[in-house]
Order: sequence, then structure tokens, then C-alpha cells
Amino acid sequence: KAGVTQTPRYLIKTRGQQVTLSCSPISGHRSVSWYQQTPGQGLQFLFEYFSETQRNKGNFPGRFSGRQFSNSRSEMNVSTLELGDSALYLCASSPTGPTGELFFGEGSRLTVL
Amino acid sequence: DQQVKQNSPSLSVQEGRISILNCDYTNSMFDYFLWYKKYPAEGPTFLISISSIKDKNEDGRFTVFLNKSAKHLSLHIVPSQPGDSAVYFCAASAQTGANNLFFGTGTRLTVIP
Repeated sequence: KAGVTQTPRYLIKTRGQQVTLSCSPISGHRSVSWYQQTPGQGLQFLFEYFSETQRNKGNFPGRFSGRQFSNSRSEMNVSTLELGDSALYLCASSPTGPTGELFFGEGSRLTVL
Repeated sequence: DQQVKQNSPSLSVQEGRISILNCDYTNSMFDYFLWYKKYPAEGPTFLISISSIKDKNEDGRFTVFLNKSAKHLSLHIVPSQPGDSAVYFCAASAQTGANNLFFGTGTRLTVIP
């Protein structure tokens, strides 16, 4: 069974640009969550989507947004990038319903210059 | 404000001995706790969980203990193996099974052969 796939794995942007990250969950998983990992803060919850609806949202500014498609694939977008947005963005999927047991992808490492 | 804290950034243990990783939390609404393990260049993988109605959960070499009055949990690995060398994240949820987890900043475990 294929795992969670995130693309791109690495990317470099400059301040003020925007970025879109993609996540393909494990087949059959309908919940997709996004987390930001930074050295000082650890993993911080961004948002969760289930059946194309945002089910939960973390404490991040409106520049961070996401969506989920009918095939459960998800994208997150960060607009007007700031230096502090440099981080590893992790996507996780889980089976139907909230379980707390997440299956993470390898992450997309974003560097903002 | 970090609601889940792992105060030891690193821990070194001899192979065959016990590894004890600690985690403290501040939010009394947390009722479900998990441990994840992360190898370099990989996403975190679920290890073990415990509900607040229990004080211990065991799975093979891994045991998690929960002390609700102290708002403290710990992960015991016995015996420790070199393959256990990884970063361990403690996570908590305010709704059993919810996917919006609060993570600690991680403890890097090194098991010395």
C-alpha cells in the first residue's frame, strides 16, 4: 500500500511569493491534516480536511489556506511568504473518522529567502 | 505557548538498557496521548497511544505511563536497541481520537551499541 506522498520535497521561494504544496493520502483515507515543523516549535497543527470540508483549523494567519479534492488529495497554499514560513510542512492522512493515529508523509521543505 | 513540553532535547542510552522519555502537558482538557517516532528524512510514525482513562499501555518493548494528576507521561523502551535511535515526539489531543494534535518539540534518543 503506497504511503502518503508529498510534492515537491524541496523548494526555495523569496519573500512575498506564494507557494502551493500537494499531498496524496493513503488510498482509502479520507482525512488529511497539515502540520508545520520548525526547530523551535516542533510540529504545529495547521488544518484538517475530511470529505472536502475543513474540520479543524490551527492558530495560523489567513495567509495559510488549504483545500481537499473529491479524491481526498489535498493542497495547502501560503501567500505573501515571510522568512518565518521556512519550515518542513508535513501532511498526514488517517482512516475514516478521527483516530489521532496519523500516517505522515516525508514532508515538503520550504526555504524562504 | 507550548502546551506539550519535552524538556530533554536529547538522551543517550546503552543498548539493552531502559530508555525513558518524558513529556509534560499543561492543558487539563487533553484526554488522549500519543508517541511518534521520526527517523531523518522520514515523516513521523505512530508508536503507541494512551487514553486518559488508563494509566498504562504496553506494546511489546514500548510502555507508556500516564500520571494525570502530575500532567506527565513517559515512554519506556525496554530493552533499547540501536534501531530505536530517532527523535520521539509526544502528542496530545483534547478530543479522543481527534486529528488536531498538540506536539512537543521532540527528544532525540541515541542508543549506543
